[in-house]
Amino acid sequence: QSALTQPASVSGSPGQSITISCTGTSSDVGGHNYVSWHQQHPGKAPKLMIYDVTNRPSGVSNRFSGSKSGNTASLTISGLQAEDEADYYCSSYTSSSRVVFGGGTKLTVL
Amino acid sequence: QVQLVESGGGLVKVGGSLRLSCAASGFTFRNSFMSWIRQAPGKGLEWVSYISSSGSTIYYADSVEGRFTISRDNTKNSLYLQMNSLRPEDTAVYFCARVGYGNNLPNFDYWGLGTLVTVSS
Repeated sequence: QSALTQPASVSGSPGQSITISCTGTSSDVGGHNYVSWHQQHPGKAPKLMIYDVTNRPSGVSNRFSGSKSGNTASLTISGLQAEDEADYYCSSYTSSSRVVFGGGTKLTVL
Repeated sequence: QVQLVESGGGLVKVGGSLRLSCAASGFTFRNSFMSWIRQAPGKGLEWVSYISSSGSTIYYADSVEGRFTISRDNTKNSLYLQMNSLRPEDTAVYFCARVGYGNNLPNFDYWGLGTLVTVSS
């Protein structure tokens, strides 16, 4: 199972919006509505930010939103804040009942 | 509050074995799917394995199939990962995570802090 494809890095200024893409295949992202996004700060455990493509866990800011079109899922962060600077990972359920992660995207808030 | 605490990591030689444990508290463990996920130093997340609430359904990543065994003891609220035939590429921080939101993968809603496994030659 190949990893999902994410950009290595994205950046934005405070207050701006950014979008991180996550491209897979019809056997994972495109075949299921089970895509999640996790945020990870250095030295910390990952935190679930989006599940089932578009849903936000309780306590996660509504500045975070998820979507999907075909084999590509996206995470959008609006009103960027300094605390959003972190690594972001997408993940998807697969048709072989396994899980595949993306390679991760480093978000820099300028 | 939900807590997941991993233990059992350490330094092991190539070909050796190690057993990781994850102690769960703050939720009904016997009703939850659980998973192991690892992260090599400076690298991204890699899913390793998951186990259903009863233990009847188990899946592994191709990279560990046949070498690692996931198990659980619902009477002890504990999750385990038996790792055999260890390779240098198994060096990573191993996280225990709960599968939340309808036990749907990959909704890993709670994570432990991880335990470091180092495989040396």
